[in-house]
Amino acid sequence: GDSVTQTEGLVTLTEGLPVMLNCTYQTIYSNPFLFWYVHYLNESPRLLLKSSTDNKRTEHQGFHATLHKSSSSFHLQKSSAQLSDSALYYCALSQNNYAQGLTFGLGTRVSVFP
Amino acid sequence: EAAVTQSPRNKVTVTGGNVTLSCRQTNSHNYMYWYRQDTGHGLRLIHYSYGAGNLQIGDVPDGYKATRTTQEDFFLLLELASPSQTSLYFCASSGQNYEQYFGPGTRLTVL
Repeated sequence: GDSVTQTEGLVTLTEGLPVMLNCTYQTIYSNPFLFWYVHYLNESPRLLLKSSTDNKRTEHQGFHATLHKSSSSFHLQKSSAQLSDSALYYCALSQNNYAQGLTFGLGTRVSVFP
Repeated sequence: EAAVTQSPRNKVTVTGGNVTLSCRQTNSHNYMYWYRQDTGHGLRLIHYSYGAGNLQIGDVPDGYKATRTTQEDFFLLLELASPSQTSLYFCASSGQNYEQYFGPGTRLTVL
């Protein structure tokens, strides 16, 4: 079946430094959609980014990611981390059927310190 | 913005107990989902539904039943709760644009 791998369980960094969260996936489907969801403490998970076409960058709220089908990757990046970015980040995969549920990675907890 | 509510927000039961978790969405979305969130496992899909009366099996369905009574309401049933089902449960809904909207979660403890 489908799978999503997030290699970092915890990322700690200083405010102002760049951050990159890794996400790779496996699926038999040729046109999957990849997502980044963010889960702040005591809130509901919500969509941060959705993939666009192959090799096209997508951006939202200072974060960006590019779907690379050649390497099955959708890494999340931000040039300068803020204290408010501290949260749990999930990479998720959807097959080309929007009705089916998402396959999530294990999540990466990001802690940003002053 | 999508509105998904869940009740109860917290629930404690004993092993073998009967539990029903409720979810309601008010955005006329056709698709609804139940996930559980556990440290070390992320979010895992339990059941989902395409519409009233429809039920699809997710990735971790054992020990869970679900029922979609209306377009708005989706229930998750644990008929013989076990400690392994202690978790944070999220309901979500989506329309046809892939984005899923999550509820606030229900924290279930099975003693």
